[in-house]
Amino acid sequence: QLLLQESGPGLVKPSETLSLTCSVSGDSISSSRYSWGWIRQPPGKGLEWIGSIYYSGGTYYNPSPKSRVTISADTSKNQFSLKLTSVTAADTAVYYCVRHWQIPWYFDLWGRGTLVTVSS
Amino acid sequence: DIVMTQSPDSLAVSLGERATINCKSSQIILHSSNNKDYLAWYQQKPKQPPRLLIYWASTRESGVPDRFSGSGSGTDFTLTITSLQAEDVAVYYCQQYYSTPLTFGGGTKVEIK
Repeated sequence: QLLLQESGPGLVKPSETLSLTCSVSGDSISSSRYSWGWIRQPPGKGLEWIGSIYYSGGTYYNPSPKSRVTISADTSKNQFSLKLTSVTAADTAVYYCVRHWQIPWYFDLWGRGTLVTVSS
Repeated sequence: DIVMTQSPDSLAVSLGERATINCKSSQIILHSSNNKDYLAWYQQKPKQPPRLLIYWASTRESGVPDRFSGSGSGTDFTLTITSLQAEDVAVYYCQQYYSTPLTFGGGTKVEIK
């Protein structure tokens, strides 16, 4: 069964770095058919695409938090990760890891999501 | 960025009746190379991640009941739920994948009247 599972701290202090990992089971992140990404949802609000990583390692980011975002992959562990630096309260959200096709980019598989709160 | 605008923000529909949700993109998301509209619809139930319902504006994802249908082209799109069921109570989002950054509509909350 194909599953995505987010993991990481649920509480991050302002100005620090948010780090999350998505573990993929039932499929290989090295598959050329798919890309893997992160989407976030502030409490009670809508969805924001953060960025995605290709099977080849190439990345695409949303310009909004782009300068603070790094998405990387560890194919040996079948995981990909998100790092968001210099966080503020505005970064408080449920973070989802997702899968989408290389082309087109709609999201056919979602993790359950993990709430990250930015607070001192 | 392509801005996706949904309407209404919420609607209440009686069980068995039709629910209609609109989504408008700030620019055309019909690609001339394949004549396809780069639009998807998602359903998000409380405390759950979104679920893909429809892609290419009108193609149902596997396992999605046929009471869900998508229509429209260019910049104006509609998600229709015929014969609303209790389990359809959720927030529905549209998303364009025509260009990056990928963007979502603000969501439409569907409730039972």
